[in-house]
Amino acid sequence: DTGVSQDPRHKITKRGQNVTFRCDPISEHNRLYWYRQTLGQGPEFLTYFQNEAQLEKSRLLSDRFSAERPKGSFSTLEIQRTEQGDSAMYLCASRVTSSDTQYFGPGTRLTVL
Amino acid sequence: GNSVTQMEGPVTLSEEAFLTINCTYTATGYPSLFWYVQYPGEGLQLLLKATKADDKGSNKGFEATYRKETTSFHLEKGSVQVSDSAVYFCALSDRSGGSNYKLTFGKGTLLTVNP
Repeated sequence: DTGVSQDPRHKITKRGQNVTFRCDPISEHNRLYWYRQTLGQGPEFLTYFQNEAQLEKSRLLSDRFSAERPKGSFSTLEIQRTEQGDSAMYLCASRVTSSDTQYFGPGTRLTVL
Repeated sequence: GNSVTQMEGPVTLSEEAFLTINCTYTATGYPSLFWYVQYPGEGLQLLLKATKADDKGSNKGFEATYRKETTSFHLEKGSVQVSDSAVYFCALSDRSGGSNYKLTFGKGTLLTVNP
């Protein structure tokens, strides 16, 4: 089994630009999660997919954020009009239906200048 | 709502010392409990888990017991190594209806082990 992969690992952008991150879950993991982790804090839940359906979004996910999971495989997280407060590590995790154990990717570190 | 409180760091120990990192939780349902470890610049790795009261999770010499009566899941290791230096996160997975099993994390505890 390959693990959860995320791309890119690092992204530096200027305020106001749009960015998109990709997550490839472990194959056959039909549940996928996005979390955000700021410096010195634990990860916080952003959104959840069951197959291609986005079933839950945190109130942390403002209108500038959108996530998709076409065909229930990889997922993308887009941030429009980035702000300095968006600087964080964005983590993706996946699991199978039969277990509540989530496996995390290496994360994408976003820096907004 | 759900919450996880873990002891503030940083924790600095000498090699072969005994480690305890305290974790307590508040949950509306009956959660699963986890410890994840994060090495510098990396994502989270599952260290151990427990799914019901009195279960003990263990891995790589680390242990934690699910204590429902004290709502705790303290992490212990008898003899730490320099390679154990990392940030440790306690987390719970809400298994109540409609929760989608999302994880709630503590703030993390930075452990540094000196030779």
